[in-house]
Amino acid sequence: EAEVAQSPRYKITEKSQAVAFWCDPISGHATLYWYRQILGQGPELLVQFQDESVVDDSQLPKDRFSAERLKGVDSTLKIQPAELGDSAMYLCASSIRQGDNEQFFGPGTRLTVL
Amino acid sequence: GESVGLHLPTLSVQEGDNSIINCAYSNSASDYFIWYKQESGKGPQFIIDIRSNMDKRQGQRVTVLLNKTVKHLSLQIAATQPGDSAVYFCAENFFSGYSTLTFGKGTMLLVSP
Repeated sequence: EAEVAQSPRYKITEKSQAVAFWCDPISGHATLYWYRQILGQGPELLVQFQDESVVDDSQLPKDRFSAERLKGVDSTLKIQPAELGDSAMYLCASSIRQGDNEQFFGPGTRLTVL
Repeated sequence: GESVGLHLPTLSVQEGDNSIINCAYSNSASDYFIWYKQESGKGPQFIIDIRSNMDKRQGQRVTVLLNKTVKHLSLQIAATQPGDSAVYFCAENFFSGYSTLTFGKGTMLLVSP
């Protein structure tokens, strides 16, 4: 069964360092999403791509966060510099088309900023 | 695995019981309402959705009820099994040029054998 892949699964970094997360969506899925989930809360959308284009990045803290999906397939989310408040689970999801209710989530990257 | 259920409302049931998980939503203009299940250490998994012009939809062992008058959504799970233990999130899908899923607060379901 096809799955969304994410790496690394866990990342520990010190504040002010740069971190990057990678996501490989299910093959053929045009839409890719990055979410942040704080422990005990629901996921919050950071950025949404349709193929290689950003559809919505209104909730992405652009002073320190960046995301790209250059070839419309896999994607990278970067944080530079990391802050203590960035500690969270970063989830990637994909869907066949924009607007689908069913999004397929990866296992996430657990980030701890010390 | 790690827990995503800290400080969450919790529903504890016995195996075989029926479970009802509730959710209050905020946006009357949402087009769809969706339920996701998140097991410990995993990403959320789609369960069922309901269009805003419907009030009930049934799936396999699950039923979603929508009451737009009071902005309330519920998920009923029949014959709850230990494998149903997870955190359940409701979500709203609002389309305005593009769609955005907004997740609500989760509820932890604990099923005892």
